[in-house]
Amino acid sequence: QKEVEQDPGPLSVPEGAIVSLNCTYSNSAFQYFMWYRQYSRKGPELLMYTYSSGNKEDGRFTAQVDKSSKYISLFIRDSQPSDSATYLCAIGRQGGSEKLVFGKGTKLTVNP
Amino acid sequence: GAGVSQSPRYKVAKRGQDVALRCDPISGHVSLFWYQQALGQGPEFLTYFQNEAQLDKSGLPSDRFFAERPEGSVSTLKIQRTQQEDSAVYLCASSWGTGVNTGELFFGEGSRLTVL
Repeated sequence: QKEVEQDPGPLSVPEGAIVSLNCTYSNSAFQYFMWYRQYSRKGPELLMYTYSSGNKEDGRFTAQVDKSSKYISLFIRDSQPSDSATYLCAIGRQGGSEKLVFGKGTKLTVNP
Repeated sequence: GAGVSQSPRYKVAKRGQDVALRCDPISGHVSLFWYQQALGQGPEFLTYFQNEAQLDKSGLPSDRFFAERPEGSVSTLKIQRTQQEDSAVYLCASSWGTGVNTGELFFGEGSRLTVL
């Protein structure tokens, strides 16, 4: 079983739609949860970072973590064509190694 | 520079050739990571440096892969006797902190390696 699983999509939605992206992870030792956005032929850039269960909101983006279910989500409200990108979940834990474990990424297209 | 800089952006190598990929992290960043991203996949961890010390190289797929950061700034990832399965984008990332909870990872745009 992979440490983090993410539905690769692709996902295509109309402009203005609410988008839900999800990942599951297998090891409860992971404490830090991130979402990165990656445009085509670019490096990933951090969107959201959280370390506790619950919701964290930043503008149109909401990150949700449920540690009991080992489930993380990213919601995008009022999606825009500029949101078209690949979204990567990433998890990390303190101590031992500082590496992040990434999901496969979900490719999102927002159609105008 | 303003961001993480990687060179070359694109590299085509014949099978068996050696390649060297360079990463210039953000000035002052302590931590430096190398990740490998195959087509349609998420980044996979290769190795981690804290200043000049290579603290984790557990992700390097074989002894053909070697990374260094001799002065704690610029890093080079070297791949010897390249194979077709080495074709991927190699991403470098840096952060100011020394722990996964201490700061954002800033990624470069990657070096795209194609082995023929």
